This record gives sequence, C-alpha cells and structure tokens, in this order.
Amino acid sequence: EAQVTQNPRYLITVTGKKLTVTCSQNMNHEYMSWYRQDPGLGLRQIYYSMNVEVTDKGDVPEGYKVSRKEKRNFPLILESPSPNQTSLYFCASSPGTEYSNQPQHFGDGTRLSIL
Amino acid sequence: GQQVMQIPQYQHVQEGEDFTTYCNSSTTLSNIQWYKQRPGGHPVFLIQLVKSGEVKKQKRLTFQFGEAKKNSSLHITATQTTDVGTYFCAPGANNLFFGTGTRLTVIP
Repeated sequence: EAQVTQNPRYLITVTGKKLTVTCSQNMNHEYMSWYRQDPGLGLRQIYYSMNVEVTDKGDVPEGYKVSRKEKRNFPLILESPSPNQTSLYFCASSPGTEYSNQPQHFGDGTRLSIL
Repeated sequence: GQQVMQIPQYQHVQEGEDFTTYCNSSTTLSNIQWYKQRPGGHPVFLIQLVKSGEVKKQKRLTFQFGEAKKNSSLHITATQTTDVGTYFCAPGANNLFFGTGTRLTVIP
C-alpha cells in the first residue's frame, strides 16, 4: 500500500531534549516536505527536499533540521525543542519535479508537546 | 513565501445548504491545489487547477480558477455531513504554501 509513515504519532517531552520525527515513503517520490499545523495558522512549511541531498527552507525553518540521505526517508530533527514547537506535524511526499506540482501525499501526523 | 488569504475561516451550514470558500492571492499563481482535512485526519488532495478560468467538477464539488489566476474557489452544492472538515487551497511552484483553511461544519 502506498503510504507516508511518520513516527512517533504522539510525543510528550521536555525543553532541550533532542528529538527526531521520522518520515518514510514507499512511493519512490522525489519531493518530500514537513509542515506544522497550528490553530488559526493553517499548514506552514518547515523544510522541503527536491531530491536526495537537496533540502531547502520553507516558511518556518527556525529550530528545525532535516536531512535527506535516502530517497525514502526525510527525518525532522529538533536539536533543542522549546514549548513554541508544540504542534501537529505532517510529512508529505509527491513525485514533483522542480517545475511542476504533483499532489502531495500526507502522513497521519505527529502530535508533539514540549513542556 | 506566497501569501494567500482564504475566506471565510469558519462556516456553519445546515445540511442541504450550499457552501463556498475563496482563496485570494495578490500575485499571479502558476497553479493551485485544493485539499480536504477531516477532523483528526491529514490533508487529502482533491484537485489541481492550472489554466486561467478553469472549472472542474467532482460530484457536488465545483472548483474554479480565476481568469487572472489570482483567485480560486471551491463550491459545494447541497452539503452533507460527510463534507465536514477543513478545506485548504495551496498555490505554489516548486513547493506548496497552504492557505489558512476554511473549517466547514454541517448541522444535520
């Protein structure tokens, strides 16, 4: 089954404790991205990746890191989480190339609470 | 990133009434996508519009792209409880920037 898998689905942690949210897709998609969703603000893009070893900042990259060492995986890293990063996070992928858009397939989301 | 305003932010309708959400941009868009997110779920792709003045239909849903490619709308005819959710527009070129969404509540 074609899917985007995020882990964990839920996490409660404390300020400053490094964490990684994993994202994996099995559709051989080139494009992957991370969004955070906050009430009243919709979905805001954190980082995106056009292909392996190619990543770019989205709208709200501060406090986050990503890597794209393999095509299927795009982990989101919070080196020193803070309470303002408490949010619902979505990973998405699409077969998009640089000059076109394709529908994005979203994971089920990861709800992070930073205390 | 690209700025889009989506209105209204919330809409409550009686089942059977129509519903429309609008997405407006100050700049010309190359294309626009629409997504639906059910409560507790993740965004799901509905459609993509590319051409100026394009109109596409999916059963009771009608999507329009403005002639100037600066605005778009989603219209639902005779809403049903299954239409409940948040509808997002997402314009973009190399990457997508989502509108703030319109949350639709359908009262049975």
